Amino acid sequence: TQTVSQSDAHVTVFEGDSVELRCNYSYGGSIYLSWYIQHHGRGLQFLLKYYSGNPVVQGVNGFKAEFSKSDSSFHLRKASVHWSDSAVYFCAVSANYNVLYFGSGTKLTVEP
Amino acid sequence: DPKIIQKPKYLVAVTGSEKILICEQYLGHNAMYWYRQSAKKPLEFMFSYSYQKLMDNQTASSRFQPQSSKKNHLDLQITALKPDDSATYFCASSQDLAGGSDYTFGSGTRLLVI
Repeated sequence: TQTVSQSDAHVTVFEGDSVELRCNYSYGGSIYLSWYIQHHGRGLQFLLKYYSGNPVVQGVNGFKAEFSKSDSSFHLRKASVHWSDSAVYFCAVSANYNVLYFGSGTKLTVEP
Repeated sequence: DPKIIQKPKYLVAVTGSEKILICEQYLGHNAMYWYRQSAKKPLEFMFSYSYQKLMDNQTASSRFQPQSSKKNHLDLQITALKPDDSATYFCASSQDLAGGSDYTFGSGTRLLVI
């Protein structure tokens, strides 16, 4: 059974700040870890994913995430956020048959 | 142009009625999925199809029936609607069911059951 935990329901930062959105997971085998973004009223858009190799993966729009086996984490980071980054971010794990299991999401608000 | 079209965007239904949610993808993908997002639960997987065949069903209720008339279509029929069915239903697709195959999501159908 795969579970995903996103401990922060809401994160608020100022434009230009760095941000870290946290994701912890539990799994029973080989998995893919991914992040998706959902702007208000829209569908989800893929940001990045990890399976193996370099634990730091680069995504679109300056986002990156780091896998840690010891911490069972896959936190998402961005060095300098823009107001357009305001959205809900979902962490997900997938394994058998490419089914995605999502966390509850973190709403990121970027203030001017 | 949207690569996955979901219709309608908004839907209001009466308790006990039946509705069909439409999904078409123009990405040439072989796998399609339905997910549900409600206020009470995070995004949850419902069904997956590959080459028009049901591969996985994690929906407890038989009131939810996916229908695939064409390779790039995966509609969702919901019968005997209940207020608890109120949610946004997202259709998605990927090249195949191989682990890590990237998803593309539609913009969703927001269903309200009164």
